[in-house]
Amino acid sequence: DVKVTQSSRYLVKRTGEKVFLECVQDMDHENMFWYRQDPGLGLRLIYFSYDVKMKEKGDIPEGYSVSREKKERFSLILESASTNQTSMYLCASSGTGRPDDQPQHFGDGTRLSIL
Amino acid sequence: QKEVEQDPGPLSVPEGAIVSLNCTYSNSAFQYFMWYRQYSRKGPELLMYTYSSGNKEDGRFTAQVDKSSKYISLFIRDSQPSDSATYLCATSETGGFKTIFGAGTRLFVKA
Repeated sequence: DVKVTQSSRYLVKRTGEKVFLECVQDMDHENMFWYRQDPGLGLRLIYFSYDVKMKEKGDIPEGYSVSREKKERFSLILESASTNQTSMYLCASSGTGRPDDQPQHFGDGTRLSIL
Repeated sequence: QKEVEQDPGPLSVPEGAIVSLNCTYSNSAFQYFMWYRQYSRKGPELLMYTYSSGNKEDGRFTAQVDKSSKYISLFIRDSQPSDSATYLCATSETGGFKTIFGAGTRLFVKA
């Protein structure tokens, strides 16, 4: 089974802090993704990566950056946290090649509150 | 128009009922069709996926794709209270890469 692990389930930070969210997958997947999920807005893609050190902006990248130094690890960084970044953050990974490898698999999410 | 439309519900059914969850999509290039189940305060869990068209069955769950009408369905037979969750449909041209998610349908199965 695919395992995507997010380092924290719940996190509380203050405005202006630099916040790091970590994600690790154990399936040797090439692709990794960061989403945020808000009531009424569904899943929105922040950033994704298709290879080590490669990254692409998603639909809502403003205020965020990412880092992928190793294939299994993808970090989301909130450069200067603001209250409108309070949300559920979800990491996902997917493979390439065979159809069976392709659907995204998600972690359990980090519920982040910015005070 | 959204690329994937899904009725948010909520949908409430008695235990043992057959549940039908549906989505429509607009891009005929989509080839991968997924259903995810999300329990409260958890991440989405991949439940079913189909590649191209047709039906796929897994236990009490059946996923159907009708590409001619751009309609995807998930049927749950003999529904259980443990099936109470939000169900998200998703579709993609290239598999795991650019995936478009529906907003999710909230399902309640009453004992």
